[in-house]
Amino acid sequence: RKEVEQDPGPFNVPEGATVAFNCTYSNSASQSFFWYRQDCRKEPKLLMSVYSSGNEDGRFTAQLNRASQYISLLIRDSKLSDSATYLCAVILNTGGFKTIFGAGTRLFVKA
Amino acid sequence: GAVVSQHPSRVICKSGTSVKIECRSLDFQATTMFWYRQFPKKSLMLMATSNEGSKATYEQGVEKDKFLINHASLTLSTLTVTSAHPEDSSFYICSAVQGSGADIQYFGAGTRLSVL
Repeated sequence: RKEVEQDPGPFNVPEGATVAFNCTYSNSASQSFFWYRQDCRKEPKLLMSVYSSGNEDGRFTAQLNRASQYISLLIRDSKLSDSATYLCAVILNTGGFKTIFGAGTRLFVKA
Repeated sequence: GAVVSQHPSRVICKSGTSVKIECRSLDFQATTMFWYRQFPKKSLMLMATSNEGSKATYEQGVEKDKFLINHASLTLSTLTVTSAHPEDSSFYICSAVQGSGADIQYFGAGTRLSVL
């Protein structure tokens, strides 16, 4: 089983739609959680951190469920510019900190 | 956010040559830097953790003699792909953290390596 799993998609949605991504992790000792956005042939860019209490930034909402070991990302009122690959990232402390990335979920927002 | 510069952005080389990639933190000191490799439509795969002043920690399956990492200062880490082969062709990305490894990572723009 992969340490961090995501549905690869692609998700094809119209502009204005609401779309949700989930990501599951297997290591219960995971400490920190993030969502990154990666455009084609570019480096990942931090989208937001994820907390148990939830985290909202404009149209984006991230949630962490430690009991079920998953994190989610909700995008409301999708824009064409939201088209990208969304990577979840989990930080483990295995004697040293290490970040494990999911394979990413591809999103296409169409007019 | 913090700025990480990675150079070169694109390399095309002949099989058997060595390629050096630099990763610099421009506006902060990075005790820890990470090197990743990414194949098309795949996730970032951590290759090694680079700590200033000490030997890098390599992930299982990554050849340390093939991928030489040097972290000589708090702002610079280098990855050298030695005797490159076509199967080494990939997208290599570095990242740096300002504090502990549990902090947010800031990524370089990546280096696309093509070995002919």
